Amino acid sequence: DIQMTQSPSSLSASVGDRVTITCRASQSISSYLNWYQQKPGKAPKLLIYDASSLQSGVPSRFSGSGSGTDFTLTISSLQPEDFATYYCQQSYNIHLITFGQGTRLEIK
Amino acid sequence: QLQLQESGPGLVKPSETLSLTCTVSGGSISSSTYYWGWIRQPPGKGLEWIGSIYYSGSTYHNPSLKSRVTISVDTSKNQFSLKLSSVTAADTAVYYCARHGLSTPRGFDYWGQGTLVTVSS
Repeated sequence: DIQMTQSPSSLSASVGDRVTITCRASQSISSYLNWYQQKPGKAPKLLIYDASSLQSGVPSRFSGSGSGTDFTLTISSLQPEDFATYYCQQSYNIHLITFGQGTRLEIK
Repeated sequence: QLQLQESGPGLVKPSETLSLTCTVSGGSISSSTYYWGWIRQPPGKGLEWIGSIYYSGSTYHNPSLKSRVTISVDTSKNQFSLKLSSVTAADTAVYYCARHGLSTPRGFDYWGQGTLVTVSS
């Protein structure tokens, strides 16, 4: 299976900061990479699909980039509601889907 | 608006079979462009894909769960189901059902609210 590794595992930042989370795949996955946001007690929410496409209704401060094995999720200016856990997920092999271990974004 | 809702027992005894159903409303499970999947999350841990099913009945599951997983679909009821056999405490988790696309977007775009299943005697 394709292993997904996120870094960092946790991150402290302040409102207004620019934040970047990275995700690395163990083999090339082209652009088949999705990003999710999860808040406590809630289901994950799809933010970015196909590495860089913004899901409908997601604020434009979220952006994604990358292809092959290295990907990034960037939040351009953190808002209070953005403090959550973020997961990447590969859909290159939709018959064996894998997630990253998550990045917890906390308030500094 | 598409909605997914998990249902099933919240407590299962060790060695027994966990059974959950996901009811889809606001759209058809028989769409040719989507898979329907199960994902779980142990308390305080990350997300693990369990498996997915197509409306035709084709299924794919996580090999880490070996042969314990059975996923089925009932298009007449617009539902799909999960059975996980021989459960242990390690199977305690919030179980989510969700939809994902065959083509773009391939992400899980609609999710149920999740249901906590505890394995305990």
